[in-house]
Order: sequence, then C-alpha cells, then structure tokens
Amino acid sequence: ETGVTQSPTHLIKTRGQQVTLRCSSQSGHNTVSWYQQALGQGPQFIFQYYREEENGRGNFPPRFSGLQFPNYSSELNVNALELDDSALYLCASRPTGTGELFFGEGSRLTVL
Amino acid sequence: GENVEQHPSTLSVQEGDSAVIKCTYSDSASNYFPWYKQELGKRPQLIIDIRSNVGEKKDQRIAVTLNKTAKHFSLHITETQPEDSAVYFCAAGKGPESSNYKLTFGKGTLLTVNP
Repeated sequence: ETGVTQSPTHLIKTRGQQVTLRCSSQSGHNTVSWYQQALGQGPQFIFQYYREEENGRGNFPPRFSGLQFPNYSSELNVNALELDDSALYLCASRPTGTGELFFGEGSRLTVL
Repeated sequence: GENVEQHPSTLSVQEGDSAVIKCTYSDSASNYFPWYKQELGKRPQLIIDIRSNVGEKKDQRIAVTLNKTAKHFSLHITETQPEDSAVYFCAAGKGPESSNYKLTFGKGTLLTVNP
C-alpha cells in the first residue's frame, strides 16, 4: 500500500465544464506531481508542486492548474474541458531527494 | 525536452522464457532511469531503477542495463511467470535529488506471459 489516494475514481463531464481532482499524498512526501495517461500511452507530466509552489510544468496549457496544501493533499483543476482531456489522471508523490514516484490509483475522466 | 522511445509495444512469451524491452532517450543530461509495471486497472509501481553511473543492475529475475554512449537502456526479465503479465513503462529523468525533477515515460510495452 503506497498511501497515495485519489478521488473521484471515475467521473463524466461535458465539453466546456470544469473539473477538480483530488489527491492525498503519503505523509512526509513534500513533492507531488500530476500525470495524464491517455489510453494506451505512458503517463505524461503535467506539473509538480513542492512546498505548495509549482516548480515544474510540462507541455500543458494554463487551463490546467493545481494547488498543494500543507496537509499533503493537492488538487488538479482543468477548465474549459475538451474531448481530448479524456484520460486517467495520476497523482504521484515522493520524498524530496529521491527518484521513486508513488502513484495513486488515478481518476478516470471522460469528457463527452 | 526529453523524448523516450520504447519497443516493442507488445510482447508475448511462453512461461519460463526471457523477455527484453528496450528504450532510447534523447537528453544526454538524463541520469536516472526507472522501470514501472502497471497491471490492468492498477497504479504504476516501480520495479527497478538505474543511475547513469552504473551500467547494470539486477534484482532476482529482473535486470536493467544502460548504455550512456548510445543513450539506450533495457529491461530483462528471466524465467517469466504469468504474474509478470502487465504493461511496462521505461522512463528517464535528471536530478532526482532536486526539487524540480520530472520523469518522461515511454509509451509502454504490453507483456503477455502464456502458461
């Protein structure tokens, strides 16, 4: 058990709507990152937070935003949803200074 | 940015045979190369990793080799078992000790081990 939990596990939205996905990291893991995994693809880095500040971003538009809170929880927000946003969204935490990512089970988003 | 290519996309072997999955990366500054296993409907989990100052690492039936000059690394699974069936992802990153490190993943290899 990695201790990283995500909610909701599944959700369906329509194009143009907004969504918030939540993650609870493992205690002591100061760094959390979010990945998008499209069907049949590898996880793609969205952004990373360290001590409540974004400190790295992948090739995703500004409508993808996030927050990290002092209690090891974090959020991924996506505005103006597009059909291509349909994917599994994975949260991953790690202790600062180590390379291993501890993934959650993911939130599967379907945009209709 | 970093680009990771992974081959093959699917691999089917008989139980007891060996399986090899290969990856190439583009950024010579990358120095950390993990492999993740993702079973159907489950989260990716680290199975082995290697740093750029090491050419080979082994953990029971799993081994990883790295060729920095050619910028490629490989996963070797010996004596495969049905429970090895999963999607395997290679990844590359630099500076895991730093706060802004990230991983670039390959597209994955679906390994099927037939009993």
